[in-house]
Amino acid sequence: DAKTTQPDSMESTEGETVHLPCSHATISGNEYIYWYRQVPLQGPEYVTHGLQQNTTNSMAFLAIASDRKSSTLILPHVSLRDAAVYHCILDSGGSNAKLTFGKGTKLSVKS
Amino acid sequence: GGIITQTPKFLIGQEGQKLTLKCQQNFNHDTMYWYRQDSGKGLRLIYYSITENDLQKGDLSEGYDASREKKSSFSLTVTSAQKNEMAVFLCASSDWGGYAEQFFGPGTRLTVL
Repeated sequence: DAKTTQPDSMESTEGETVHLPCSHATISGNEYIYWYRQVPLQGPEYVTHGLQQNTTNSMAFLAIASDRKSSTLILPHVSLRDAAVYHCILDSGGSNAKLTFGKGTKLSVKS
Repeated sequence: GGIITQTPKFLIGQEGQKLTLKCQQNFNHDTMYWYRQDSGKGLRLIYYSITENDLQKGDLSEGYDASREKKSSFSLTVTSAQKNEMAVFLCASSDWGGYAEQFFGPGTRLTVL
């Protein structure tokens, strides 16, 4: 069973702010929420992660619902370079994070 | 900054052949991983290693061997290549201690004839 649910695809236009949703209704208390993105012919790239509080970095803002059953990755002012498949992943870490990626959301960006 | 190098970038083999993929990282990370990605699908963990000479099986270890010869290198061997193994193999590394971001290499694209 998939632990996270994401839309298959989303479309946007350059300069827009994009909200990528992720549902994780059965998340455990010790599971972190990770976001990675992947462009064709390259390996995945870490975007951000969080546990309970919203987080922000140079790439994105991660909004986590108060019940932690969903999260939203917010990409401000997207450019063509932000077109990628975005993966929302849960992992409790422990000895080491062993990430399992699903299909993710394919974000298209139009000029 | 650092970099992860995977060799070769493209690997063509014959069905039944033993094939070896190599990965090097200069982050000085403790943990290294091998993932497999089939076309249009997500990543699945094959093997990981938390330190030199350590090996841990992932969800997809059957049909593969791995070797962590030194901290900076991690090799993956396909013991007997099968036609349904045409995929991209991705190597990654991270610091010890979980909750750590993983850095990925560009991948090795395997084709079995």
